Amino acid sequence: DAKTTQPNSMESNEEEPVHLPCNHSTISGTDYIHWYRQLPSQGPEYVIHGLTSNVNNRMASLAIAEDRKSSTLILHRATLRDAAVYYCILYTSGGSNYKLTFGKGTLLTVNP
Amino acid sequence: DAGVIQSPRHEVTEMGQEVTLRCKPISGHNSLFWYRQTMMRGLELLIYFNNNVPIDDSGMPEDRFSAKMPNASFSTLKIQPSEPRDSAVYFCASSPAGGRNYGYTFGSGTRLTVV
Repeated sequence: DAKTTQPNSMESNEEEPVHLPCNHSTISGTDYIHWYRQLPSQGPEYVIHGLTSNVNNRMASLAIAEDRKSSTLILHRATLRDAAVYYCILYTSGGSNYKLTFGKGTLLTVNP
Repeated sequence: DAGVIQSPRHEVTEMGQEVTLRCKPISGHNSLFWYRQTMMRGLELLIYFNNNVPIDDSGMPEDRFSAKMPNASFSTLKIQPSEPRDSAVYFCASSPAGGRNYGYTFGSGTRLTVV
């Protein structure tokens, strides 16, 4: 499975932007880049995904490097509710097999 | 939309007992996944179904674990007999077919404690 590398932890202040990096140097051409987050005592929650172009939704933005070997999840104004573990995942598919494999993620702490 | 519904939320059982975890996926979603989360191993994919058919069960730890999906709206994960090392949070997730271009929706999980 293609792997991702994320910092173990990051810290941010409330109402400031947060840039969460992810390296995926072995990404293949058909791998989608997915981001999920897990708030304390909850199940993982889908945040955003992309293939080649930058993506925006109501939760966040995803900036994908031109060579696709790295990406950055951007939270434009962090709130206390954004404190969570953020997972960057390469969604590998082969035929009818689809797998989402979670790594250790980045623990984001938001300071008031 | 009620989301993915799992039951029970918490389960405490004695070693050797049978445990059944239940999941109702989102209507219209073709794929269903069972994950297990522990502090030591993080989130592990146990098995996933596509159109009610098990596609990959390579993550199932051993023969004590079994999963079924008798119809599109219900799945079970059974552990028989249960052991203390099975204690974990078990999550069910569903997604539309072709999940790489869609997100997964996870349930709230079942916290299993085997004593």
